[in-house]
Parts: sequence; C-alpha cells; structure tokens
Amino acid sequence: LAKTTQPISMDSYEGQEVNITCSHNNIATNDYITWYQQFPSQGPRFIIQGYKTKVTNEVASLFIPADRKSSTLSLPRVSLSDTAVYYCLVGDNVVGTGRRALTFGSGTRLQVQP
Amino acid sequence: NAGVTQTPKFQVLKTGQSMTLQCAQDMNHNSMYWYRQDPGMGLRLIYYSASEGTTDKGEVPNGYNVSRLNKREFSLRLESAAPSQTSVYFCASSPDRTSTDTQYFGPGTRLTVL
Repeated sequence: LAKTTQPISMDSYEGQEVNITCSHNNIATNDYITWYQQFPSQGPRFIIQGYKTKVTNEVASLFIPADRKSSTLSLPRVSLSDTAVYYCLVGDNVVGTGRRALTFGSGTRLQVQP
Repeated sequence: NAGVTQTPKFQVLKTGQSMTLQCAQDMNHNSMYWYRQDPGMGLRLIYYSASEGTTDKGEVPNGYNVSRLNKREFSLRLESAAPSQTSVYFCASSPDRTSTDTQYFGPGTRLTVL
C-alpha cells in the first residue's frame, strides 16, 4: 500500500495560489490519487481525484507528473474559508481486495491569513 | 436526503462503561467505515464493511466491535471504555470499497472517557 508524505503545515494569504505537494514513491499502476479537505469539527470531504497529468474542477487543480511519484494540489486565490486540513490518499480501484485500508495520514494544515 | 447521520453527537463515559455509536446512510452505498481522530491528528480506520454482511479490521480495531445491521446501518460498540478511546469518531460510506469511490462522512461523535 502506497504511503504518502505531505508537509505538516503551510501558511498563505488571501488571494494567493497555494500548492500542496504529496509524495507517494511506491504508487502502484492501478492506484489513483485523491485529496480530501477537513474543516474543524467536521468530517473530511472530497476535493479532487486523478490518475495522471492534470485534473481541474471548480474547487482545485491536481497536477500529476509522468512518473506519478508525487502530486500537487493547487488552490487558486485562496480565501479565509480555505483554512483547513488537506489529506492526500493513494489507493487502487479494485473492489473487494481484502484488508487493504485507505489511510488518511496526518494531512497538511493550511492557515490562510487576511 | 440526509447523507450520513451519526448519533449521538456528544457522549461522556466513565472508564469501564459500554456504549454503541450509531451510523446510518441513505445513499444506497455498499461500503461503510468507522474512523477515529485524536486531537491534532489524522483519521485512523477502526473497522470497515465492504458490503452488507461483511466486516474487517482496520488500523486500530482493538477495544471495538462493529455490526453491519443492514445496508444502511453500521454501528460501533465500545464494550469497556478506556480514557485512550477519548476521540472524535467519524462514520463514512462509499459506493464500493475502492479509492476511486468518494467517501462521504458524517458529522462525527465527540466521545470523552473519564
């Protein structure tokens, strides 16, 4: 099971672009990369998912280089409401593969200042 | 459509007491999960149920039992609570147990064991 490494915390200011990088050196061929966001006192919620190259939605972009050993979550023009913990997950899309757990890890705590 | 609901929202127990945390989802999802989150930490998987009628241990199963009552409901039981089980407990569900399926989280149960 691929292990992920993220920075523990990051600081930014309103209006800036924030890039959070996740390292997953042991990613397997069938693995996808998924990012979740968690606000204080709430459960995590899905932000974005990708397999390779670039994925963009209304909230964020996800950049994945050709070797897929890392990925970068990009949040354009952050606001105070983007202050949260961001988790990177790596796992495959095979149903019922037994006891492989999807591990959230400690995440990256983003603090956006005015 | 309520998504994932959890009861209770808050609970205080004395060491040795037992209790059951309830979770229900109305999205017709096959897979359900129980996580715990200690202060300032990431989520750790306690147990999961890939489909109705099956349950499997996650990363930290000791001291807990689970029951997948039906497709909608997945309960977590603490038989003899310990202070080390003080945490916030999140229930989640997903269509199937793969990383490409978004996990939807409940609001959490904040448990304190004295």
